Amino acid sequence: GESVGLHLPTLSVQEGDNSIINCAYSNSASDYFIWYKQESGKGPQFIIDIRSNMDKRQGQRVTVLLNKTVKHLSLQIAATQPGDSAVYFCAESAARQLTFGSGTQLTVLP
Amino acid sequence: DAGVTQSPTHLIKTRGQQVTLRCSPKSGHDTVSWYQQALGQGPQFIFQYYEEEERQRGNFPDRFSGHQFPNYSSELNVNALLLGDSALYLCASSLAQVGYGYTFGSGTRLTVV
Repeated sequence: GESVGLHLPTLSVQEGDNSIINCAYSNSASDYFIWYKQESGKGPQFIIDIRSNMDKRQGQRVTVLLNKTVKHLSLQIAATQPGDSAVYFCAESAARQLTFGSGTQLTVLP
Repeated sequence: DAGVTQSPTHLIKTRGQQVTLRCSPKSGHDTVSWYQQALGQGPQFIFQYYEEEERQRGNFPDRFSGHQFPNYSSELNVNALLLGDSALYLCASSLAQVGYGYTFGSGTRLTVV
C-alpha cells in the first residue's frame, strides 16, 4: 500500500536554532495530515495538523507547510529547546486510518 | 483530564500464547483504533472500532482481533503469538462525528519470548 516517508532519519540542531523536519507522502486521497512527537516510552503526542485545503498552519513555535503539488509536508520548530528532543512522525489520514512515516530523531544540542 | 488509558503497560508472553490488551478512550470519544509500533518504526494501523463493530482493518492476519464494549472501551486480542509480534501496541481514540483529532495512549509494550 501507499506509505508516508521521511527524508532524514536523524536531525541535530543547536538550542535556540530553528528545526525543519520534512516528509513525503504518496496517497493523493489523503485529506488530513498530522505531526506527532513521541518521547521514549510514551505514545505519540499531537503537535499540529493541517487539512488538504490549506498550505500553511501555525501553532505555538511550530508551523506546518503542505505542498500538494510535490506531495511534501514539513514541520518547522522555532527556537528549538532541549524539551523538543524526540522522534517526530508525520501521518496522513485516509479511509479512517492514519499512515505513519518511519520518524525523524531530533536531538537538540546545548 | 481522562485521556486514553491502556493496560497493562508491559507484558511478557511465550510464543504460541494468547494475549488481551485493553484501552479506555478519552472522555467523549466513541471510536477506538489500534496500532502496532515495532522498535524504530512508525505505528502501523491494525483496525478501528465504532459502535461495537470493526469498520476498518489494516494488513494484519486474523490472529489479531478486537472488541468494543458499550462504554466505548476496547480490547485487542492476539492469538498464537509469534516472536515478531513483539512491539508497542497503541490505542488511539477519536470522535466519529469529527473524523479526526486522534488521541493516543502510552501503549502496551508486548514482548514475546
